[in-house]
Amino acid sequence: GNSVTQMEGPVTLSEEAFLTINCTYTATGYPSLFWYVQYPGEGLQLLLKATKADDKGSNKGFEATYRKETTSFHLEKGSVQVSDSAVYFCALSEEGYQKVTFGTGTKLQVIP
Amino acid sequence: DVKVTQSSRYLVKRTGEKVFLECVQDMDHENMFWYRQDPGLGLRLIYFSYDVKMKEKGDIPEGYSVSREKKERFSLILESASTNQTSMYLCASREAGTAQETQYFGPGTRLLVL
Repeated sequence: GNSVTQMEGPVTLSEEAFLTINCTYTATGYPSLFWYVQYPGEGLQLLLKATKADDKGSNKGFEATYRKETTSFHLEKGSVQVSDSAVYFCALSEEGYQKVTFGTGTKLQVIP
Repeated sequence: DVKVTQSSRYLVKRTGEKVFLECVQDMDHENMFWYRQDPGLGLRLIYFSYDVKMKEKGDIPEGYSVSREKKERFSLILESASTNQTSMYLCASREAGTAQETQYFGPGTRLLVL
């Protein structure tokens, strides 16, 4: 079956530091890949997505590239802010399936 | 602006009570989902629905049931609440179609069962 593996958190960074959150996946076909973010006290919201190999999703300074050869979709940001403190979820969705498979989430804390 | 609302942000119930969690979306989406979120376990799918009156079990359906009488509303029912059902419950909806579609989430209901 499908699965998503994320690096364990929490991740604590100083403001303006570089961020990488690793995500690898297992899927039988060619999934679409997503990063969702959950700010404190809120539900999840889409951060970015990529739908085919070598696509790069980007939003709010975050980027992730769909790497089929390494089955990865790592999230990066060049300079984090305190307002980026949240939990980040990697997820995948395959054609023909209604379900979305989520990783366990990685909590990011950015300190001033 | 798209919106998914959940009936309560916080609920406290006693063991054995019947609990109803309601979710409403205003986007005319065919698909709706109920997840529970627990520390270290991420999101686990309880049930989903792909049309009115249609439902499918997710990964952890035991102890739960669902109802979808109208397209915009998807209810999660805990028939007899137990302490191990203390959790954050998240509802989501999604347009039917391709795997590229985004899920839209409600704010969550934090349920405490005493």
